[in-house]
Amino acid sequence: AQSVTQLGSHVSVSEGALVLLRCNYSSSVPPYLFWYVQYPNQGLQLLLKYTTGATLVKGINGFEAEFKKSETSFHLTKPSAHMSDAAEYFCAVSDRGGGFKTIFGAGTRLFVKA
Amino acid sequence: NAGVMQNPRHLVRRRGQEARLRCSPMKGHSHVYWYRQLPEEGLKFMVYLQKENIIDESGMPKERFSAEFPKEGPSILRIQQVVRGDSAAYFCASSPTSSGSAGEQYFGPGTRLTVT
Repeated sequence: AQSVTQLGSHVSVSEGALVLLRCNYSSSVPPYLFWYVQYPNQGLQLLLKYTTGATLVKGINGFEAEFKKSETSFHLTKPSAHMSDAAEYFCAVSDRGGGFKTIFGAGTRLFVKA
Repeated sequence: NAGVMQNPRHLVRRRGQEARLRCSPMKGHSHVYWYRQLPEEGLKFMVYLQKENIIDESGMPKERFSAEFPKEGPSILRIQQVVRGDSAAYFCASSPTSSGSAGEQYFGPGTRLTVT
């Protein structure tokens, strides 16, 4: 069975500082991995995804994530936080075996201080 | 191209009533997923449907909950005899038929169900 663990339900950074949101997954098959962002009272929006190939994936709004198979991790980073990055971020894993049932982590709420 | 649409956005029901949540996937998408989000929690998978078929309902409660995705019209998530614990945000997502989509899902804005 697949699962996702996001370390830290809340992360607070200063504007301009590095953003690091941690995600570890478990999957019995090569996974598809995703990061989604959710702004208040809205649905989820895809930030980036890893399917195959290059392990460093670049997404929208300056975010990127690196797939590390040996560490079963897919941490999300952004070099310089902006106030508009304040939101909830969800890591997710999908079984590429078919069906694309997606399992989401519990989420990490990012706070950005001025 | 319109995104995933859900209605109503907010739904208030008294205990014991029925709740019907609707989801229209993006044009050309034939896969629909329903998730439930409780306050301060992540999304919990409920059910995955294709047109006229339930593919995976492993996340659906055994009683009172049902889902359908008919050949024509939106997907419906139906909750019978609602209880206070059903209060949550319910999100629908859709994805294209092609496996090239790599499981990427497009989410609707959600329906916030409040049971009084």
